[in-house]
Amino acid sequence: GAVVSQHPSRVICKSGTSVKIECRSLDFQATTMFWYRQFPKQSLMLMATSNEGSKATYEQGVEKDKFLINHASLTLSTLTVTSAHPEDSSFYICSARRMHGYTFGSGTRLTVV
Amino acid sequence: SQELEQSPQSLIVQEGKNLTINCTSSKTLYGLYWYKQKYGEGLIFLMMLQKGGEEKSHEKITAKLDEKKQQSSLHITASQPSHAGIYLCGADIKGGNEKLTFGTGTRLTIIP
Repeated sequence: GAVVSQHPSRVICKSGTSVKIECRSLDFQATTMFWYRQFPKQSLMLMATSNEGSKATYEQGVEKDKFLINHASLTLSTLTVTSAHPEDSSFYICSARRMHGYTFGSGTRLTVV
Repeated sequence: SQELEQSPQSLIVQEGKNLTINCTSSKTLYGLYWYKQKYGEGLIFLMMLQKGGEEKSHEKITAKLDEKKQQSSLHITASQPSHAGIYLCGADIKGGNEKLTFGTGTRLTIIP
């Protein structure tokens, strides 16, 4: 079946540094991918829609310059958290749209210290 | 405000008992998905409903979408410890396969 591979699964970084999270579709082409954020005991909040070959569409309240999204190929989308701060610590998860549904990555737990 | 409301927010059920989780929207739902999540892990797809009045079952879990396509329920029969987790409903609210918006989530605990 369709698989979305997300890396890393866990990352700890220092405040002020940048972190890149990768999301790859392994056996299908994903023209559209989505990035979500989940805080403890909360649901998934959509951050942005990533379209291959074009600029990402960000949800209201999400800083474009802080959360850089690149979708340069049909199988890879990346989310870069720039100048990370402790409040950016969260669980980030990607999803790829398929013909009959969505496939999710396994998520990345980001801790900013 | 959340476009998809789930109730209850949390649920503690004795093993073997039945339970129901609801997902409600004021807008028409184009494609309603149910997922299960262990906290801090990925999502496990349970079921997808598209047509008004549709009902699907898998093992001990049944999901329904009402005729107006604004409310869905997830029913678990004879709950087991393996059913514990966070249940999320997700829907394409605006239509046209635009994006998946999630409900507020329901945390299910099964006690022996």
